[in-house]
Amino acid sequence: KAGVTQTPRYLIKTRGQQVTLSCSPISGHRSVSWYQQTPGQGLQFLFEYFSETQRNKGNFPGRFSGRQFSNSRSEMNVSTLELGDSALYLCASSLDRDHGELFFGEGSRLTVL
Amino acid sequence: EDKVVQSPLSLVVHEGDTVTLNCSYEVTNFRSLLWYKQEKKAPTFLFMLTSSGIEKKSGRLSSILDKKELFSILNITATQTGDSAIYLCAGPTDSWGKLQFGAGTQVVVTP
Repeated sequence: KAGVTQTPRYLIKTRGQQVTLSCSPISGHRSVSWYQQTPGQGLQFLFEYFSETQRNKGNFPGRFSGRQFSNSRSEMNVSTLELGDSALYLCASSLDRDHGELFFGEGSRLTVL
Repeated sequence: EDKVVQSPLSLVVHEGDTVTLNCSYEVTNFRSLLWYKQEKKAPTFLFMLTSSGIEKKSGRLSSILDKKELFSILNITATQTGDSAIYLCAGPTDSWGKLQFGAGTQVVVTP
């Protein structure tokens, strides 16, 4: 069974640009969450989606947005990139909205220059 | 405010040693506590604990939860160099998919 797949794995952008990251959950999983990981702040929650609806949002500015599609795949977008947005962005999926075991993808490493 | 605190932040042990990692948590509406292992990339799921006093085991790893004291430990016995990683503790907060993570414990196992 394939795990959580994230694309792209690595990307470099410059300040002011925008970026879109993609996440395909484990087959059959309907809930997707996104996290940002940095050396200083650790793992911080960004969004949670279930059935194309955002269930929860973390304390990030409005430049961070996301969505989920009918096939449970999810995307997140960061607009007007800042240097501080450089991080590993991790996507996790779980079977459904009330199931606790989250399985993580390998992440998308974003570098903002 | 939900909080998960791990200790120690890092430790170095020799192969064959036993390691005990600590996690204390304060989360409203407790649902469970999860442990993950992170090497260079994705955090790998280890355990989910929901009941107090029931030990979960997987090979040389084991974990137990104390809901009264809001505390969990992760034990690794007969450590191997492949156990070198960051071990993360987390608890769901407002919803199952919104995890509050601790800072992690970096474990280095030397040959």
